[in-house]
Amino acid sequence: DGGITQSPKYLFRKEGQNVTLSCEQNLNHDAMYWYRQDPGQGLRLIYYSQIVNDFQKGDIAEGYSVSREKKESFPLTVTSAQKNPTAFYLCASCRTGTGVRGYTFGSGTRLTVV
Amino acid sequence: AQTVTQSQPEMSVQEAETVTLSCTYDTSESDYYLFWYKQPPSRQMILVIRQEAYKQQNATENRFSVNFQKAAKSFSLKISDSQLGDAAMYFCAYRSLFQGGSEKLVFGKGMKLTVNP
Repeated sequence: DGGITQSPKYLFRKEGQNVTLSCEQNLNHDAMYWYRQDPGQGLRLIYYSQIVNDFQKGDIAEGYSVSREKKESFPLTVTSAQKNPTAFYLCASCRTGTGVRGYTFGSGTRLTVV
Repeated sequence: AQTVTQSQPEMSVQEAETVTLSCTYDTSESDYYLFWYKQPPSRQMILVIRQEAYKQQNATENRFSVNFQKAAKSFSLKISDSQLGDAAMYFCAYRSLFQGGSEKLVFGKGMKLTVNP
């Protein structure tokens, strides 16, 4: 079955370390997104990409970086510059073009700074 | 920029009863899409229902229906015959119809629904 796979499910990071969250999809979707979820804040957009080798900053991109070398993959790196990285991270994808479509979401990664 | 507001952070409903979740949004666009997502304790985001702004008819999916008031920029979700499995966070979301746009979803802050047996 097609879907989005996020790994790992839980991730622990020490202060000052960079960590990379994986997101892979086999839905042949062009667009991919990274959201951060904090209690009471809803989902806030970090980065998004509509085609390979291109991506744009979302609303809270500082301290994060991404790459889109393959259509299927959109990894997110949380750098040491991110001051408060403890959160739940969701990856999503969708087809581009006409028609009303929602996103397909992954099951998320819970990142904790220790 | 578009914004989505869910003014009620929490609600509760008795099993088998009906509950309405409110959502308002702000946009200068005339065509767009609106969505309701459900996030149960597993934290998996599940699409509940979608609405195209150019359609006057309110969308319905089984026990879930919307009341879309375009002029008022209101998009409420009605859950009929509430079930214990409906307990979750519910998020309202907006997406532009503009071709060539980012197609990004803008989410409200969510509302926690509790279903009492």
